[in-house]
Amino acid sequence: QVQLVQSGGGWVKPGGSLRLSCVASGFTFSDYYMAWIRQAPGKGLEWVSYISLTSTYTDYADSVKGRFTISRDNAKNSLYLQMNSLRAEDSAVYYCASPFYGGMPDAFDIWGQGTVVTVSP
Amino acid sequence: EIVLTQSPATLSLSPGERVTLSCRASQSVDSYLAWYQQKPGQAPRLLIYDASNRATGIPARFSGSGSGTDFTLTISSLEPEDFAVYYCQQRSEWPPRITFGPGTKVDIK
Repeated sequence: QVQLVQSGGGWVKPGGSLRLSCVASGFTFSDYYMAWIRQAPGKGLEWVSYISLTSTYTDYADSVKGRFTISRDNAKNSLYLQMNSLRAEDSAVYYCASPFYGGMPDAFDIWGQGTVVTVSP
Repeated sequence: EIVLTQSPATLSLSPGERVTLSCRASQSVDSYLAWYQQKPGQAPRLLIYDASNRATGIPARFSGSGSGTDFTLTISSLEPEDFAVYYCQQRSEWPPRITFGPGTKVDIK
């Protein structure tokens, strides 16, 4: 069945690093842009980053630019988010997501289960 | 950056009522507008893409309309499982930049 399974996350001190992973199954991963979207406790959704099919294009929200790096390994059907210099305001549930139209990061119809990232002393 | 505004912030309604949710963009997004439903502890669920197309498996009571800067999500008759938070989302043409609205909570009256 079509699914995204996430791992990684947890608790880290401010300034620390974490790596999130997301493994896809049930669809042709290499045909789809992929994205990370987060949700702080009690807040709305915030797009974090996306990556194109062959990693040619990436983009980041201004709030994470220069600190987070998105990558993918199509041979392993896997998406990653390397998070460095973490701040308290990065605490959130992080979702990986796949778009309805593979060739554009928009209208995300497949979502991972979410992984919690907590940044505190 | 394109800013999305959703109104109202909260709606208190009864099952069977008709619901109209609004999403307004700070500049034109053509029809690149999606709607999601999110329940507590769950990932968002895509309802509508390209402003008016229902995603796979979405009941016909959900419909979307609009283009440019003003969009509407309508639920023709609220079912108990429809009480949730609804978000709109846009992406700009190129490079694609994605933003979400702040959400509208639909709760039980």
